[in-house]
Amino acid sequence: EAQVTQNPRYLITVTGKKLTVTCSQNMNHEYMSWYRQDPGLGLRQIYYSMNVEVTDKGDVPEGYKVSRKEKRNFPLILESPSPNQTSLYFCASSLTERGSEQYFGPGTRLTVT
Amino acid sequence: GQQVMQIPQYQHVQEGEDFTTYCNSSTTLSNIQWYKQRPGGHPVFLIQLVKSGEVKKQKRLTFQFGEAKKNSSLHITATQTTDVGTYFCAGGKWGVTFGTGTQLKVEL
Repeated sequence: EAQVTQNPRYLITVTGKKLTVTCSQNMNHEYMSWYRQDPGLGLRQIYYSMNVEVTDKGDVPEGYKVSRKEKRNFPLILESPSPNQTSLYFCASSLTERGSEQYFGPGTRLTVT
Repeated sequence: GQQVMQIPQYQHVQEGEDFTTYCNSSTTLSNIQWYKQRPGGHPVFLIQLVKSGEVKKQKRLTFQFGEAKKNSSLHITATQTTDVGTYFCAGGKWGVTFGTGTQLKVEL
């Protein structure tokens, strides 16, 4: 089954404790991205990757890091989480970067206290 | 930067009533996508519009792309409880700039 998986689905952590949210897709998609969803703000892109070893900042990259060492995986790293990073995070992938349908993972609800 | 505004933010309708959400961009879009997110779920792709003035239908859903390619709309005829959710448009560079969404609630 074609899908995007994320782990963990729920995470409660404390300020400053490094964490990684994993994302994996099995569709051989080139393009992957991370979004955060906050009430009233819709989805905002954090980082994206057009292919292996190619990543770039989205609209709200501060406080986040990503890597793309393999085509299927695109982890999101919070080196020192802060309460304002409490949000719902979605990973998405698409065949190419140019106007392709995006497939979203199930989401990760992160709470930073 | 690119901005995509969506109205209304919320809409409550009685089952059987029609519903429309509007999406407006500050710049011309190469294409626009629409997604639906059920409560507690993730966004799911509905459709993509590319051509100026394009109209596409999916059963009770009608999607339009404006002549100037700066606005779009989604119209649902005779809403059902299964239509409940938040509808997002996405435009901008490579369809990654999302509107703020319209949350639709359908009452029996």
